[in-house]
Amino acid sequence: EPEVTQTPSHQVTQMGQEVILRCVPISNHLYFYWYRQILGQKVEFLVSFYNNEISEKSEIFDDQFSVERPDGSNFTLKIRSTKLEDSAMYFCASSSSLAGTGELFFGEGSRLTVL
Amino acid sequence: AQSVAQPEDQVNVAEGNPLTVKCTYSVSGNPYLFWYVQYPNRGLQFLLKYITGDNLVKGSYGFEAEFNKSQTSFHLKKPSALVSDSALYFCAVRASNTGGFKTIFGAGTRLFVKA
Repeated sequence: EPEVTQTPSHQVTQMGQEVILRCVPISNHLYFYWYRQILGQKVEFLVSFYNNEISEKSEIFDDQFSVERPDGSNFTLKIRSTKLEDSAMYFCASSSSLAGTGELFFGEGSRLTVL
Repeated sequence: AQSVAQPEDQVNVAEGNPLTVKCTYSVSGNPYLFWYVQYPNRGLQFLLKYITGDNLVKGSYGFEAEFNKSQTSFHLKKPSALVSDSALYFCAVRASNTGGFKTIFGAGTRLFVKA
């Protein structure tokens, strides 16, 4: 069964460093998302991406964050100048439906620890 | 703006008994409603969705949910709980009229099924 894959599974970084989290969505999916979950609690929307551009973003997704689909398969989240409060589990998701009716398929997550 | 409320942080039920996990939502326009489950240290997995049509939808692992437009609710149910159902359950909503297809998640309800 097709799945969303994320790397790395765990990254530890120093405050102020840049981090890139990578995702390979399901190959025929058109919509891509990043979510984060802090301490196994609420799942927070960060950004949605369609047709090579951001379609919607949350207040969390400020200038510190950026997304890219550099080669038609990978979907990356870059966090510049990380802060302690960026420590979280980051989930990539993808969806296939053109009408927005499709469910999200999630990866297993990338745990980011900022020291 | 979209929002989802899961009024119970935790639901406890004995194995073999019916279970209900509650969810109410707020969205402009017609909602697309989803339930996801998360096991420890895993990504979210899709259980079921309501898009249109029959208010009672059936999903994976014997779960079902009923869409109630007047009460803006979408409660998750299962006639007979299993210990293996113990997990974190998330209700989610997407507005049908949003081009970004942002899906908003509730805070989650932890289900404990006791043998």
